[in-house]
Amino acid sequence: NAGVTQTPKFQVLKTGQSMTLQCAQDMNHEYMSWYRQDPGMGLRLIHYSVGAGITDQGEVPNGYNVSRSTTEDFPLRLLSAAPSQTSVYFCASRGQSHQPQHFGDGTRLSIL
Amino acid sequence: KQEVTQIPAALSVPEGENLVLNCSFTDSAIYNLQWFRQDPGKGLTSLLLIQSSQREQTSGRLNASLDKSSGRSTLYIAASQPGDSATYLCAARTAYNQGGKLIFGQGTELSVKP
Repeated sequence: NAGVTQTPKFQVLKTGQSMTLQCAQDMNHEYMSWYRQDPGMGLRLIHYSVGAGITDQGEVPNGYNVSRSTTEDFPLRLLSAAPSQTSVYFCASRGQSHQPQHFGDGTRLSIL
Repeated sequence: KQEVTQIPAALSVPEGENLVLNCSFTDSAIYNLQWFRQDPGKGLTSLLLIQSSQREQTSGRLNASLDKSSGRSTLYIAASQPGDSATYLCAARTAYNQGGKLIFGQGTELSVKP
């Protein structure tokens, strides 16, 4: 019963490096999203997808790209890492519109 | 713009006490409201989801209520235990924007002392 799986759990990058945060769900959920959690700012939506091939921007999309080639996977790409992107990143998914959102365990990312 | 507020930011109670956590939202046009628990260094665990047409939901020792007219939701925890210590987050899903974006409160950090 995996639910939402995020990898890696921890990552340290240098400024300017790029990387991809992976997110996979095995519940056949159409809706998936990425949030970042920062002290004093709470959780904020980065990007979301309502189905394979469909993505859209959230509240804080700058510096991040997403794609949704399959229902199961929703990777988040940092194009050129900046210290301001140091955060904890959570992926979430949801089935039908009235159902709850399920979150992964997060990726803790530090940019030096 | 929807804003969600949780007061207090931190709460400490002795074991066995019944307690209420508060969540306020500014826009009554919500689709549903979800309560989560977050343990230190961990992800969010969904506790209860209340649809806009519902007044309350119950799961074990937890009861969540929703009053759209006053812009409030409460999470009631009965007979608290040290294992209930965690940060509790409420999140409102507004009916009309961004495919179901959740607006989160800042959370209430609960400590239950043995």
